Amino acid sequence: DGGITQSPKYLFRKEGQNVTLSCEQNLNHDAMYWYRQDPGQGLRLIYYSQIVNDFQKGDIAEGYSVSREKKESFPLTVTSAQKNPTAFYLCASILVSSGANVLTFGAGSRLTVL
Amino acid sequence: DQQVKQNSPSLSVQEGRISILNCDYTNSMFDYFLWYKKYPAEGPTFLISISSIKDKNEDGRFTVFLNKSAKHLSLHIVPSQPGDSAVYFCAASDRGSTLGRLYFGRGTQLTVWP
Repeated sequence: DGGITQSPKYLFRKEGQNVTLSCEQNLNHDAMYWYRQDPGQGLRLIYYSQIVNDFQKGDIAEGYSVSREKKESFPLTVTSAQKNPTAFYLCASILVSSGANVLTFGAGSRLTVL
Repeated sequence: DQQVKQNSPSLSVQEGRISILNCDYTNSMFDYFLWYKKYPAEGPTFLISISSIKDKNEDGRFTVFLNKSAKHLSLHIVPSQPGDSAVYFCAASDRGSTLGRLYFGRGTQLTVWP
């Protein structure tokens, strides 16, 4: 079955530590995205990448970094510079050639800073 | 500034009745609208969408209505079932924006009781 796999599902971090969230897709989608969800809030775009080795900042990129070395993978690093990292992180992708602006999401990773 | 607004954080409906979830937007450049459904600890799943050239789109029990002059859309679920209990997110994209760049509302928790 094709889909998006995010790991870990739950992650705890001490203040001052960097953590990396994994996102792998086998949908052969070109573009990948990271969104963040906070309680009672809508999803907000952190970073996105439309092709390998290229990515752009979204609305809330400060304190985050990404890489896109392979089409299938788009890991997100939450750095110690992120002031409020506790949140639910969602990875998504789109097949650009479909022309349909419909994101497919992974199951998410919940990060808690202790 | 929230460009997509879901002013009702929750809605409770009896099984078999109609559920109506509302969404307002402020950006007149938005031309494509989507509804996503989300269960706890899972990623959102695409439900239904509508282009701004239409005022109605139907898929089984789900119908989305768009009122461009009022910048308002609604999702109707008829008949409602207990399995429909979830958080529903309204999302929008604008014609000048990057594919996959969606703006989300804060969500409405729908509870369908027997």
